[in-house]
Amino acid sequence: DAGVTQSPTHLIKTRGQQVTLRCSPISGHKSVSWYQQVLGQGPQFIFQYYEKEERGRGNFPDRFSARQFPNYSSELNVNALLLGDSALYLCASSSPGSNQPQHFGDGTRLSIL
Amino acid sequence: QKEVEQNSGPLSVPEGAIASLNCTYSDRGSQSFFWYRQYSGKSPELIMFIYSNGDKEDGRFTAQLNKASQYVSLLIRDSQPSDSATYLCAVRTDRGSTLGRLYFGRGTQLTVWP
Repeated sequence: DAGVTQSPTHLIKTRGQQVTLRCSPISGHKSVSWYQQVLGQGPQFIFQYYEKEERGRGNFPDRFSARQFPNYSSELNVNALLLGDSALYLCASSSPGSNQPQHFGDGTRLSIL
Repeated sequence: QKEVEQNSGPLSVPEGAIASLNCTYSDRGSQSFFWYRQYSGKSPELIMFIYSNGDKEDGRFTAQLNKASQYVSLLIRDSQPSDSATYLCAVRTDRGSTLGRLYFGRGTQLTVWP
């Protein structure tokens, strides 16, 4: 079975631009979470979606938004990009049930020039 | 503020030795505990999870949980150079608005030398 897939793998943007990152969960997984990982740090939680509804939001500005589609795939949008948004963006999915572990995709490495 | 602290690295052990990685967490309501391995430039890979006090073994890996001390550890027996990576401890509280959210430590970099 395919794991969590993310696209694109790498992206270069300039300050002020907007970006959309995409994620497809493992088949059968209905929950998708987004994390930001800057170099030398652990991942930081951005959003969680379950059954197309937002179930949690981390301490990120309103420039960050996300949504989940009926097929459980998800998009993360970031507007007005700043240099500090340069990071590895990780998508994780988990199967129903609060005790299920999250499995990560390969991530999207976003560089802001 | 929920905090997850990992022992400062880098940790360096010879091949065949036992590597011990430690993690403490601040929220007593934490329910689920995870260890992820992350190779340089790659994404985190789940290697162990534990929910109950005590030990859980999977091959060369043993996770230990002590909720009273708010402490979780990972032991890697017979360490191999391929185990060289950053190990991330993650905690989940499974309550209210934090349902499903993982809190990560900064990671401990492990190097296993031949």
